[in-house]
Amino acid sequence: ELKVEQNPLFLSMQEGKNYTIYCNYSTTSDRLYWYRQDPGKSLESLFVLLSNGAVKQEGRLMASLDTKARLSTLHITAAVHDLSATYFCAVDGGTSYGKLTFGQGTILTVHP
Amino acid sequence: GAVVSQHPSRVICKSGTSVKIECRSLDFQATTMFWYRQFPKKSLMLMATSNEGSKATYEQGVEKDKFLINHASLTLSTLTVTSAHPEDSSFYICSAAPGTSQTQYFGPGTRLLVL
Repeated sequence: ELKVEQNPLFLSMQEGKNYTIYCNYSTTSDRLYWYRQDPGKSLESLFVLLSNGAVKQEGRLMASLDTKARLSTLHITAAVHDLSATYFCAVDGGTSYGKLTFGQGTILTVHP
Repeated sequence: GAVVSQHPSRVICKSGTSVKIECRSLDFQATTMFWYRQFPKKSLMLMATSNEGSKATYEQGVEKDKFLINHASLTLSTLTVTSAHPEDSSFYICSAAPGTSQTQYFGPGTRLLVL
């Protein structure tokens, strides 16, 4: 059974600081996704990582994937309040494409 | 990007009634759609895979007779919660991917409250 674990689960940051969210998963996969969820809303796709060593950046967020370590990271640079949300990683590890197993989510709060 | 819609966005019903939730891909065709469930402050759990023209595939522990899925066309999947009870109250979200896209697009979700 595929397990996906994120840490930390709660992250309180000051504006301007940097931090990293980690996503570990238990079985081989080369398809990993990061999503953002605002309170009461659905999921917004942030990054799609499809190969070992993949690195993608959008604004203050950068995601990477190490399939050998079964680890993905989401790095936040110079955080701003607008980044406050819940961030999920999800792994597509099933035999049928598209079946995602989600991490627990990381609740990020950015303070002034 | 591709758009997935859900209807209704919010529904309140009495215990024992059935509720139908629609998931539509607005600008692409999807032979496969997925239904997820999310409890407050929790992660998303895959309930079932909806396959156009064939039976849905349910995840372990999901009652197929309670959560009826119909994928009658390439742009529409429906989830019917039958004989709903308060413990079925949750946020239901569908997703789909266009063609060979590697990105799953999620609907806006349906918040179900069973009284």
